[in-house]
Amino acid sequence: KAGVTQTPRYLIKTRGQQVTLSCSPISGHRSVSWYQQTPGQGLQFLFEYFSETQRNKGNFPGRFSGRQFSNSRSEMNVSTLELGDSALYLCASSLRFGPGLAGVQEQYFGPGTRLTVT
Amino acid sequence: DQQVKQNSPSLSVQEGRISILNCDYTNSMFDYFLWYKKYPAEGPTFLISISSIKDKNEDGRFTVFLNKSAKHLSLHIVPSQPGDSAVYFCAASYRDDKIIFGKGTRLHILP
Repeated sequence: KAGVTQTPRYLIKTRGQQVTLSCSPISGHRSVSWYQQTPGQGLQFLFEYFSETQRNKGNFPGRFSGRQFSNSRSEMNVSTLELGDSALYLCASSLRFGPGLAGVQEQYFGPGTRLTVT
Repeated sequence: DQQVKQNSPSLSVQEGRISILNCDYTNSMFDYFLWYKKYPAEGPTFLISISSIKDKNEDGRFTVFLNKSAKHLSLHIVPSQPGDSAVYFCAASYRDDKIIFGKGTRLHILP
């Protein structure tokens, strides 16, 4: 079974630009979550989508947005990029969203997209 | 407000010895806790979990202990192996809410 794929793997943008990252979940998984990883802050939750609906949202500004398509693929968009947005963006898919043990256990991460803002 | 804290950024342990990674949390509503392991250039992979109704869960060389009164959990790796060198993330969740991760602890296994 193919794992979670993220494209592109690496990206360099300049301040003020916008960027779109893509995530293809494991086949059959309907939940997709996005995380930002930085050296100082660890893994921070951005948002979670299930069946094209945003279920949970982290504490990030409105410049960060996402969506999920009917095939469960998800995109994340960051507008008006700032230097502090440089990070590894991770996507994770799950067979089903919480609650319960199984839903949380079955979260599989992709390799991430390394975004550098200059 | 950091709800899940891993206060040790790094830890070095001799191969064959026990590695103990610690995690503290502030939200008493958390009912499920997980540990993830991350190698460079890869996404985190699930390692082991524990429900708040238990105080211990074992899986091979990995054991997670939960002390609810102290709001503390720990991951024990016995014996430590070179392949265990990675960043370990502690995470917690409450029902169907989002999963909150700690900042991670980098574990170095020394030969």
